[in-house]
Amino acid sequence: AQSVTQPDIHITVSEGASLELRCNYSYGATPYLFWYVQSPGQGLQLLLKYFSGDTLVQGIKGFEAEFKRSQSSFNLRKPSVHWSDAAEYFCAVGARNTGFQKLVFGTGTRLLVSP
Amino acid sequence: AAGVIQSPRHLIKEKRETATLKCYPIPRHDTVYWYQQGPGQDPQFLISFYEKMQSDKGSIPDRFSAQQFSDYHSELNMSSLELGDSALYFCASSLYQDPTGELFFGEGSRLTVL
Repeated sequence: AQSVTQPDIHITVSEGASLELRCNYSYGATPYLFWYVQSPGQGLQLLLKYFSGDTLVQGIKGFEAEFKRSQSSFNLRKPSVHWSDAAEYFCAVGARNTGFQKLVFGTGTRLLVSP
Repeated sequence: AAGVIQSPRHLIKEKRETATLKCYPIPRHDTVYWYQQGPGQDPQFLISFYEKMQSDKGSIPDRFSAQQFSDYHSELNMSSLELGDSALYFCASSLYQDPTGELFFGEGSRLTVL
């Protein structure tokens, strides 16, 4: 079974500084990997996804993530954080079986942005 | 573009009551998933449907049942509600043939059990 670890529960970053959120996964086959963002009381918005090809994927809002198979990681990065990026970020790994995608989420990382 | 529609957005129930949540997938999407997110928790997979048949089952209590209808919308029925059922319930949809397997999530239905 797949699993996801997000080792950082909270991260505080100054506005304009760079950001890296860590995500490690466990899955026997090539995973489908996703990053979602959730603002308080809101739904899950997909930032980016990886399922094959180029290991550096670009997403919305200036985010990118790099799939590193050797490290079983899929860390999310942004070169310059904006105050509006403050939210909960979830990494998820998918086990796709005959067309059905079952996502397992990490416990999330709450990003706080300081002035 | 049309998104996943969930209703109601907010629901307040008493213990031991019954609640029904509805999910309308993106047009042409044939697969629906239900997730439960407790306070401060990550979303947990409950159940999924493809072409009106249950395709997978997660940690869904026996008190809960769900189904997918011919128009692909889905309903999650929860009976004998407990305080611990208070959560944000997400519905997601996907297209079986999509090679990326991307799930599109709705805004969620927040259930509060008093």
